[in-house]
Amino acid sequence: EAGVAQSPRYKIIEKRQSVAFWCNPISGHATLYWYQQILGQGPKLLIQFQNNGVVDDSQLPKDRFSAERLKGVDSTLKIQPAKLEDSAVYLCASAPPPGRETQYFGPGTRLLVL
Amino acid sequence: SQQGEEDPQALSIQEGENATMNCSYKTSINNLQWYRQNSGRGLVHLILIRSNEREKHSGRLRVTLDTSKKSSSLLITASRAADTASYFCATALNYGQNFVFGPGTRLSVLP
Repeated sequence: EAGVAQSPRYKIIEKRQSVAFWCNPISGHATLYWYQQILGQGPKLLIQFQNNGVVDDSQLPKDRFSAERLKGVDSTLKIQPAKLEDSAVYLCASAPPPGRETQYFGPGTRLLVL
Repeated sequence: SQQGEEDPQALSIQEGENATMNCSYKTSINNLQWYRQNSGRGLVHLILIRSNEREKHSGRLRVTLDTSKKSSSLLITASRAADTASYFCATALNYGQNFVFGPGTRLSVLP
């Protein structure tokens, strides 16, 4: 079974630029999560999708971050404009029905904002 | 503030010894999970314990949950160098959602 795919693996941008991350979950997983993990900290949930609907986006900085999951499969997370404090690893995870309790994580995208 | 807090922040042991990590949380939960993260990699699910369970085992892992103290512990027995990683507890406030991860325990197992 293929795992959660993420791209790119690394990205370096300057502040105020825009960046987008892509995630393809495990086939059949209805639930998809985006996390931000700052160095030395645990992952922080940014947004949770159930199919193509948003379940929880309470910690997503909506003035600069946006995410979509068209067609309920793959997803894109965008930052516009980026700030220095956005430097982190962005992790995508998916969970199978019916309980969506166990999450399967992708390798992450490491973002450095200069 | 963090819902889950692991303790200790870092732990260094010799191969063959047991490693114990603790997690405390603040509010009532539906379940608690432990994940492992190797350096530069994604997280891997280890074990889930529900709020009505007190202990679970999986191979060399033993997890306990004390809801009265709002705490959990992860025990890794007969540790190996390959167990070197960061370990995170994650609490689910509601069924299947509202996951909150703690800051993690960095475990180093020395050969």
